[in-house]
Amino acid sequence: ETGVTQTPRHLVMGMTNKKSLKCEQHLGHNAMYWYKQSAKKPLELMFVYNFKEQTENNSVPSRFSPECPNSSHLFLHLHTLQPEDSALYLCASSQTVGSGGNEQFFGPGTRLTVL
Amino acid sequence: AQSVSQHNHHVILSEAASLELGCNYSYGGTVNLFWYVQYPGQHLQLLLKYFSGDPLVKGIKGFEAEFIKSKFSFNLRKPSVQWSDTAEYFCAVNARSSARQLTFGSGTQLTVLP
Repeated sequence: ETGVTQTPRHLVMGMTNKKSLKCEQHLGHNAMYWYKQSAKKPLELMFVYNFKEQTENNSVPSRFSPECPNSSHLFLHLHTLQPEDSALYLCASSQTVGSGGNEQFFGPGTRLTVL
Repeated sequence: AQSVSQHNHHVILSEAASLELGCNYSYGGTVNLFWYVQYPGQHLQLLLKYFSGDPLVKGIKGFEAEFIKSKFSFNLRKPSVQWSDTAEYFCAVNARSSARQLTFGSGTQLTVLP
């Protein structure tokens, strides 16, 4: 596998379910990101991790809980979501965070539908 | 806070037409600028980027973009589009002076008619 992979690619869940999204990067990067992509809206940055430490939480509701056990893996744990949380969730990675100019490499996304 | 505006939400062109997609950002400091493309059913991928130097940058597949600092713009151009250029295009900005991450525009859907 190369680049950034995400599983599952599609997920349908009820509002009372608990599920997790997984992201893995094979690029040797140290920074990983979660974005939310909704139709007709800019990509919304959710969380940033640098060397496994969370460096940014962009006012994301607590029903989204990220986890970064190492620099290659990133999870997004979901519980008691709302229908408006339905979107494409994108994972990205970059060399590091902070100095700017960090090109980000994106995964294919998980298409989440909340019923 | 930095923001990015992409004025055209949907552009429809015939093959061989010339393309220019607008991107303006609001940030007074030094920035890095990016254009990403998302082909139907595929990953977001980098088309081109500007960090410094020549303000006219060339990317993949014949795309280029010009950074005009006085206009806070980074418009994307291609002299002759192909049907395979049908995709969504996103402009993004990163302020160099802070740890602030990429800020994306809302995207422009380009449809090229054969």
